Amino acid sequence: GEDVEQSLFLSVREGDSSVINCTYTDSSSTYLYWYKQEPGAGLQLLTYIFSNMDMKQDQRLTVLLNKKDKHLSLRIADTQTGDSAIYFCAERSNDYKLSFGAGTTVTVRA
Amino acid sequence: GAVVSQHPSWVICKSGTSVKIECRSLDFQATTMFWYRQFPKQSLMLMATSNEGSKATYEQGVEKDKFLINHASLTLSTLTVTSAHPEDSSFYICSVPSRAAETQYFGPGTRLLVL
Repeated sequence: GEDVEQSLFLSVREGDSSVINCTYTDSSSTYLYWYKQEPGAGLQLLTYIFSNMDMKQDQRLTVLLNKKDKHLSLRIADTQTGDSAIYFCAERSNDYKLSFGAGTTVTVRA
Repeated sequence: GAVVSQHPSWVICKSGTSVKIECRSLDFQATTMFWYRQFPKQSLMLMATSNEGSKATYEQGVEKDKFLINHASLTLSTLTVTSAHPEDSSFYICSVPSRAAETQYFGPGTRLLVL
C-alpha cells in the first residue's frame, strides 16, 4: 500500500522560513497535497500540486516536488505565530483515495 | 473551496449506544464522500467511501456492521457507530471531492467520546 512519511516536529523562529519535508512511495500518485490542522479542528487545504509539476507558489507557500526521488516539500516564508499547527502531507491514488503522513507539528517561537 | 459541515461537532455517549454523525456538502452535490478517523496525535485513516445510490466500500479492517454508512442524498452522508465502546472514541472527519476530483474538502470533524 501507499506509505507517506514526514518528520514529526519542527520549531522555527517567527519571521524565518519553515520547510516541511515529505516522502511517498506510490509512483502513480497524481496529486500531492498539504493540509493544515489546528487544535480540535478539521483539515484546511493549503495547497496541492499535480504530479507533472516541479514547483508551485502561492503567496507565502512554495511547494517543491521531486518526482524522481518521490520527495515533496512545503516552504512557508516569513513564518507567523498563526502558522503553528500540524501539517499533513497526502498523496492521491488512482482511485481518488488520500493517504496521509503522520503530520509535522510546527511550533513558531517568538 | 467547498463548504462541508458535520453534525454534531462533539458527542459523549454511554457504552453500548449508537451514535449518528452527519456530513453535508453545502456547495455542490457529491456522489462520493469519504469518512476518516483520527486518533489523538495520529494521522487520518480512511475508513470508508460513501457512494450515493450504492453500498459504501470499506477499508481493510473496518467493520461494516459496526460503522454503518448511508448516503441518503447527493448532499448528505451519515456514519452511525453502532454499539459504541470506549475504543471507538476518536475524531471522525468526512470529506467531499471537488467537482473535478483534484482535491478533497474536509468537514470540521466530530469528536466522539464513549464512556
